[in-house]
Amino acid sequence: QKEVEQDPGPLSVPEGAIVSLNCTYSNSAFQYFMWYRQYSRKGPELLMYTYSSGNKEDGRFTAQVDKSSKYISLFIRDSQPSDSATYLCAMSEQAGTALIFGKGTTLSVSS
Amino acid sequence: DAGVIQSPRHEVTEMGQEVTLRCKPISGHDYLFWYRQTMMRGLELLIYFNNNVPIDDSGMPEDRFSAKMPNASFSTLKIQPSEPRDSAVYFCAIQQTSGGSYNEQFFGPGTRLTVL
Repeated sequence: QKEVEQDPGPLSVPEGAIVSLNCTYSNSAFQYFMWYRQYSRKGPELLMYTYSSGNKEDGRFTAQVDKSSKYISLFIRDSQPSDSATYLCAMSEQAGTALIFGKGTTLSVSS
Repeated sequence: DAGVIQSPRHEVTEMGQEVTLRCKPISGHDYLFWYRQTMMRGLELLIYFNNNVPIDDSGMPEDRFSAKMPNASFSTLKIQPSEPRDSAVYFCAIQQTSGGSYNEQFFGPGTRLTVL
């Protein structure tokens, strides 16, 4: 079993829909939880990060971390065609260590 | 992508040839990471450096892979000899951890390697 599990999708939604993306993990030492967005043929870009448990909101995006369940989520409200990309969850134990990534969920938002 | 330059962007080679991938960080950093991305395995760490010193190379698949960081502005990942299963996108990423808060890892645009 991989340390981080993520449903690869693909996920197709109409414009304006609420999108929920999720990851589960097994390593209880993870403290930093990130969501990266990767457009086709580009490098991943950090979308949001959360330290330890809790929620974080940034515009249309909300990240949630539940360490007791080893479960993280990313919600996208009012999804737009420009949100079409692959979303990767990533985690690390410390700030200066390698990230452990999920395989990514491919999202397509149709207008 | 602005913080990291990778070259070449695309590489097609034949099995058995030597391949050298290059990474040139533009902005400040104290960590440099090499990752590999495939459809089957996703994005995985190969090796990372702290202040130019290799810290963890446990992700390097085998002795055919080697990485160097001769200075803070340059790193290479070499595959010799290359095999078709090495076909993947190779990313270089940098991170600066000073300041007490989390700083993101900036990824380069990647090198798409195809070994025939």
